[in-house]
Amino acid sequence: GQNIDQPTEMTATEGAIVQINCTYQTSGFNGLFWYQQHAGEAPTFLSYNVLDGLEEKGRFSSFLSRSKGYSYLLLKELQMKDSASYLCAVVDSNYQLIWGAGTKLIIKP
Amino acid sequence: DGGITQSPKYLFRKEGQNVTLSCEQNLNHDAMYWYRQDPGQGLRLIYYSQIVNDFQKGDIAEGYSVSREKKESFPLTVTSAQKNPTAFYLCASSPSPGSGANVLTFGAGSRLTVL
Repeated sequence: GQNIDQPTEMTATEGAIVQINCTYQTSGFNGLFWYQQHAGEAPTFLSYNVLDGLEEKGRFSSFLSRSKGYSYLLLKELQMKDSASYLCAVVDSNYQLIWGAGTKLIIKP
Repeated sequence: DGGITQSPKYLFRKEGQNVTLSCEQNLNHDAMYWYRQDPGQGLRLIYYSQIVNDFQKGDIAEGYSVSREKKESFPLTVTSAQKNPTAFYLCASSPSPGSGANVLTFGAGSRLTVL
């Protein structure tokens, strides 16, 4: 079966750095997405990786290793508004999105 | 501003009733999707449509129905056959189905509670 694993919940301190991991086992791979979702709101696009390596966008970076079936989202200089759930999703061989359950990130002052 | 509008935001239903959730987009996207989100689970695909007058079942289509009569609109009906309909429903659209970098734009969601 297809599987996406993410930690259920993480806690970090304002101003710090946090890394949210995502491991996957899917039938084929055509890219990996990270979305941010504040409670009760719509998910919003953060990043897309299809090649190995690190993609940086301001305070957020996303890394991919296809051989290890692994990705992480790195958030720097954490702000209170970063408190949200972070969803990892993989595009499989049929171009269908397989979603992880999401990681709830709690930022403390 | 372009986007996706879902309505209603909150909906209460009695058991045995059908309800319809509205989804409208003005992004000129070809593909539209309906997802269900439950606590502790990933998004699960109910139905999707890549072109007008055509749609496909997702992983959990039983008890749901859709139509795609216009490019802009993709309403979802939750029928009385859906055994556990209480959930958060998300509509999404994308410009280019069938490609890897197919970024979804989501609506704000509709929360359905069955009394």
